[in-house]
Amino acid sequence: KQEVTQIPAALSVPEGENLVLNCSFTDSAIYNLQWFRQDPGKGLTSLLLIQSSQREQTSGRLNASLDKSSGRSTLYIAASQPGDSATYLCAVRRRGGGSNYKLTFGKGTLLTVNP
Amino acid sequence: EAQVTQNPRYLITVTGKKLTVTCSQNMNHEYMSWYRQDPGLGLRQIYYSMNVEVTDKGDVPEGYKVSRKEKRNFPLILESPSPNQTSLYFCASSLFPGNQPQHFGDGTRLSIL
Repeated sequence: KQEVTQIPAALSVPEGENLVLNCSFTDSAIYNLQWFRQDPGKGLTSLLLIQSSQREQTSGRLNASLDKSSGRSTLYIAASQPGDSATYLCAVRRRGGGSNYKLTFGKGTLLTVNP
Repeated sequence: EAQVTQNPRYLITVTGKKLTVTCSQNMNHEYMSWYRQDPGLGLRQIYYSMNVEVTDKGDVPEGYKVSRKEKRNFPLILESPSPNQTSLYFCASSLFPGNQPQHFGDGTRLSIL
């Protein structure tokens, strides 16, 4: 059974700092890994999608990496801003064995960027 | 605009009163899924559908039903809601194959009293 762990559970940083969020998963048989952002009481906004054959993806100040063999992904946020404050969720999509392409989510990292 | 639309966004109701949460997508996606999100438990899959008339249970299906009569719609039905179904619900959709990203609706917050 796939398990996804995110560390740390919460992180507080001053504005302008570069930071790294970590995600680990137990089963490397995945199609892809998706990073989401969730604001309080709101829906999920997809930030980056990394296919299993890729090593990293970049969008603006965000860079996500994937090391499938070790079951790890990181989300790097450069020059953090107060508007980056949110919960960041990592999710992996299973590959093979049955017909369900479901996402298995981590419990998220609550990021607070202080002005 | 490509989107997944859920209705209602918020609902407070009472135990035992049947309710339906609708989900519609305009991207011609084959795969649709329902998740619930609870504090400390994260997001868990309730039901999924691979295409019209093809549905199956996820990790936490008890107390829920779904149907997929049209490709764009995937309603979640609570026949006899109970307080333990109070949660934040998300509908998601994606294209095949499995390497496509999933798109999420804005969520439905259900409170069952």
